[in-house]
Amino acid sequence: SQQGEEDPQALSIQEGENATMNCSYKTSINNLQWYRQNSGRGLVHLILIRSNEREKHSGRLRVTLDTSKKSSSLLITASRAADTASYFCATGPMDSSYKLIFGSGTRLLVRP
Amino acid sequence: EAGVTQSPTHLIKTRGQQATLRCSPISGHTSVYWYQQALGLGLQFLLWYDEGEERNRGNFPPRFSGRQFPNYSSELNVNALELEDSALYLCASSFGIWGEKLFFGSGTQLSVL
Repeated sequence: SQQGEEDPQALSIQEGENATMNCSYKTSINNLQWYRQNSGRGLVHLILIRSNEREKHSGRLRVTLDTSKKSSSLLITASRAADTASYFCATGPMDSSYKLIFGSGTRLLVRP
Repeated sequence: EAGVTQSPTHLIKTRGQQATLRCSPISGHTSVYWYQQALGLGLQFLLWYDEGEERNRGNFPPRFSGRQFPNYSSELNVNALELEDSALYLCASSFGIWGEKLFFGSGTQLSVL
């Protein structure tokens, strides 16, 4: 079963607007990561936030983590057409399984 | 530096056959992970290998198996293929047993007819 669930499943915005994607998870985590996938191919790591962090920035990306609500959000500011992709959150569990569990993803379309 | 490479890019098999997928991790990475991504869905964890040992496997039947070689490359074998095995199979590598960041290959698209 999926650990993380992204919301919304699909998002369509105009170039220049901000895009916000949310991720909810079920169990305690060591860290939470966001990945991007273009055209159903390999995933690219975007950002990692640890369970003791609340916010992290990387370029136009801003990630927040609320462990009390078991949720995270990814904000892409000033979106570009090239940001069109699927975005996945992945949780690193506290146990010794050492496996990342991926959510179902948000499909982002940025219209030029 | 070469990234994670997977072969073949596409693989077409018929039901009941066996499929072998290959993965070469980034140089220096000892852990290899396999994920299955059915069309339009998220990634399902399949297998994790580190230092030649299977460390963990997901909720998949035993006909999904694999191995990791001394050079850390890995092979995923799927026996007795079923139609629902059609999916994109992604390999990822990381440094050490708990690589916090995974590096993915471009995947093998397996089609079972």
